[in-house]
Amino acid sequence: DQQVKQNSPSLSVQEGRISILNCDYTNSMFDYFLWYKKYPAEGPTFLISISSIKDKNEDGRFTVFLNKSAKHLSLHIVPSQPGDSAVYFCAATTWISNFGNEKLTFGTGTRLTIIP
Amino acid sequence: DTGVSQDPRHKITKRGQNVTFRCDPISEHNRLYWYRQTLGQGPEFLTYFQNEAQLEKSRLLSDRFSAERPKGSFSTLEIQRTEQGDSAMYLCASSFQGESSYEQYFGPGTRLTVT
Repeated sequence: DQQVKQNSPSLSVQEGRISILNCDYTNSMFDYFLWYKKYPAEGPTFLISISSIKDKNEDGRFTVFLNKSAKHLSLHIVPSQPGDSAVYFCAATTWISNFGNEKLTFGTGTRLTIIP
Repeated sequence: DTGVSQDPRHKITKRGQNVTFRCDPISEHNRLYWYRQTLGQGPEFLTYFQNEAQLEKSRLLSDRFSAERPKGSFSTLEIQRTEQGDSAMYLCASSFQGESSYEQYFGPGTRLTVT
């Protein structure tokens, strides 16, 4: 039962353009969402998060959008840079509604390749 | 403090042997998590601690797996009688239980290969 889905295993984007990574979830109890970036042979690195009380959160080149009615979120990277090439994981948790239970449920990841 | 550290980074063992991994979290973090990641998948939750108390264990954590966090500092994950299906990347993460935001910070992982 895949509660967090990233349907695009890979994505290639020209340097300087916008990268859009998508994520869907099925569990309506999820109320906090995170994006992680992972390089080979390293652990996931936290990028940006959003709680269900917001529909957008921005941090520099990274913006996350949340559409609760569609149970969909997306990560926008603009402009894309070669160092952004990595695997991106979407994760979700029930942080707000269940403060004592904060395990993350991850998607399967999208490999982003930035073409110089 | 430079982040979450894990030791060893790589472990090759024969089926049936026991292995133990160590995780040192970020010093001010009171929560510590273990995840497992296999090829092509995202990390899957195994268990987590608040201070020294183990608060939740996943169904993935069979009775051959045991985790401890003595004194609420570092943690160990032991796998007894390893099987080839245990081959995976074992990730540790830590977080601080706050009220305004919530992120887990991951270590580099321990890659286990069972032959």
